[in-house]
Amino acid sequence: GAVVSQHPSRVICKSGTSVKIECRSLDFQATTMFWYRQFPKQSLMLMATSNEGSKATYEQGVEKDKFLINHASLTLSTLTVTSAHPEDSSFYICSASPGTGASNQPQHFGDGTRLSIL
Amino acid sequence: AQKITQTQPGMFVQEKEAVTLDCTYDTSDPSYGLFWYKQPSSGEMIFLIYQGSYDQQNATEGRYSLNFQKARKSANLVISASQLGDSAMYFCAMRGGYNQGGKLIFGQGTELSVKP
Repeated sequence: GAVVSQHPSRVICKSGTSVKIECRSLDFQATTMFWYRQFPKQSLMLMATSNEGSKATYEQGVEKDKFLINHASLTLSTLTVTSAHPEDSSFYICSASPGTGASNQPQHFGDGTRLSIL
Repeated sequence: AQKITQTQPGMFVQEKEAVTLDCTYDTSDPSYGLFWYKQPSSGEMIFLIYQGSYDQQNATEGRYSLNFQKARKSANLVISASQLGDSAMYFCAMRGGYNQGGKLIFGQGTELSVKP
């Protein structure tokens, strides 16, 4: 089945550091990938839609300059949390699906990244 | 705007019993998909079952079935013969048609605990 790989699985770093998270589709091409953020015991909140070869589409309230998204190839999207602060600590998870984005295609998720900013 | 609602923050079920997790949705899009995902404490999202808005029959996948009532805009997940390994967070999600960009909107989630 479709596999999405996400790295790293856990990051602990000092405040002010920039952190890059990678999301790869291993056995399919994905023109669109999605980035979500999840706080403990809460739901997944869509942050942005990553579009291959063009700018990402950010959800309302998400700072574009804080969360930089790059989708340079059909199998790789990256999320960079710039100048991270303790309030950016969260669980970040990406997803993608093969196909054209039709409503019957399940999204496949990476295993997520637990980001802790000290 | 699309919306997904799960009104059960937590549910308990006895091992080997069946349990129903509720999900209601709202959308003006005639074409949409409804999904259920399981999230264990380790964090990964596991796809369980899918129901399309035009599907005439309720979806089933092993011990999982989806009770789809389109007129009521509900898509409840039924887990039969619960197992201890079913203890996890369960999320209902909706995906609109192609013109919606394919993004998933999630409900608040239900934490299921299976008792031995």
